[in-house]
Amino acid sequence: QKEVEQDPGPLSVPEGAIVSLNCTYSNSAFQYFMWYRQYSRKGPELLMYTYSSGNKEDGRFTAQVDKSSKYISLFIRDSQPSDSATYLCAMSVTGGGNKLTFGTGTQLKVEL
Amino acid sequence: GAVVSQHPSWVICKSGTSVKIECRSLDFQATTMFWYRQFPKQSLMLMATSNEGSKATYEQGVEKDKFLINHASLTLSTLTVTSAHPEDSSFYICSASATGGSGEQYFGPGTRLTVT
Repeated sequence: QKEVEQDPGPLSVPEGAIVSLNCTYSNSAFQYFMWYRQYSRKGPELLMYTYSSGNKEDGRFTAQVDKSSKYISLFIRDSQPSDSATYLCAMSVTGGGNKLTFGTGTQLKVEL
Repeated sequence: GAVVSQHPSWVICKSGTSVKIECRSLDFQATTMFWYRQFPKQSLMLMATSNEGSKATYEQGVEKDKFLINHASLTLSTLTVTSAHPEDSSFYICSASATGGSGEQYFGPGTRLTVT
């Protein structure tokens, strides 16, 4: 069993839809949780960075962490075609530049 | 802020030659940098962790004599692929974590290496 599980998709939604992306994990020591967006042939771009359980909102993006269920989510409101990319969840035990464990990534396509 | 650059963005080399890839943090100092490898439609695979002024820590299965990492300053780390072979062809991405920061990692744009 992988430490971090993420549905690879592809996930196809119409423009304007609310998108829900999820990851589950098995290591209860993870405390820092991130979501990255990666366009084809580009490096990942940090979207959200959260510590421990709770919600964090930034514009159209909301990240949720439920440590009791070992489950994290990223919600994208009013999805746009420009949101079409691969979304990677990542997590680490400690902050301060420690190595990340990534999910496999979910490919999202937002259609006109 | 938090910009990481890589150079070159794309390189083709002949089998048996060596290739150096640079990773720079442009607007922050990075005590720790990471090197990843990514195959098409797959997630990132951590190759090594690079700390300024010390030897890199390699992940299991990564040949340290083949993938030489140097982190000579707080803004520059280099990865040299020595005696490259076609199976080394891949997308190499670095990331950097700001010194004294809360742990966010910022990624470079990646370098596509093709070995012929």
